[in-house]
Amino acid sequence: DAGITQSPRHKVTETGTPVTLRCHQTENHRYMYWYRQDPGHGLRLIHYSYGVKDTDKGEVSDGYSVSRSKTEDFLLTLESATSSQTSVYFCAIGDLVGTQYFGPGTRLLVL
Amino acid sequence: KNEVEQSPQNLTAQEGEFITINCSYSVGISALHWLQQHPGGGIVSLFMLSSGKKKHGRLIATINIQEKHSSLHITASHPRDSAVYICAVSSGLRNNNDMRFGAGTRLTVKP
Repeated sequence: DAGITQSPRHKVTETGTPVTLRCHQTENHRYMYWYRQDPGHGLRLIHYSYGVKDTDKGEVSDGYSVSRSKTEDFLLTLESATSSQTSVYFCAIGDLVGTQYFGPGTRLLVL
Repeated sequence: KNEVEQSPQNLTAQEGEFITINCSYSVGISALHWLQQHPGGGIVSLFMLSSGKKKHGRLIATINIQEKHSSLHITASHPRDSAVYICAVSSGLRNNNDMRFGAGTRLTVKP
């Protein structure tokens, strides 16, 4: 299995509070992604990163920001959490041939 | 209409049966991916293919580029195959930031 971890694995927070999710990899892959998964929808891309300090928006980026100061860490921040951001968040890393490896996921509940 | 459609949405089979899950897409692609999401939530990449057929153990994936269709077959199904199977397509951008995911097919294999 690819060395990719997410923290926390579960989080309950209140509307309006900031939340940061962390993705950590030990594979030294250049590409990293944050997705959200909701019932009835496929995985949807929030933000992605080409490398250190090189990030861009995905399909559903509103309300989210990211940072990548080191190759191994990709942080997703909800500046002011809303109930619509209740979801399961997956981080993924991508190798050079296009395969993506997924982290275990973080379940976020915004009350 | 979603760019990636899977059928069926849900599938129940008896142990030992031959399983087929279908995926149709409406965009130009360079690669199609099949993923498996375990009941615990983890996502594993099964196949990435751009033409023809690939086989791994009891799993076989095929793709017909002209018809924009792919199938995932499971031979001699087993209860441990119970999972959600996800089809995804990418257009070939090196960083795969344009992957589009189907909503998944939930497979239950009964003993």
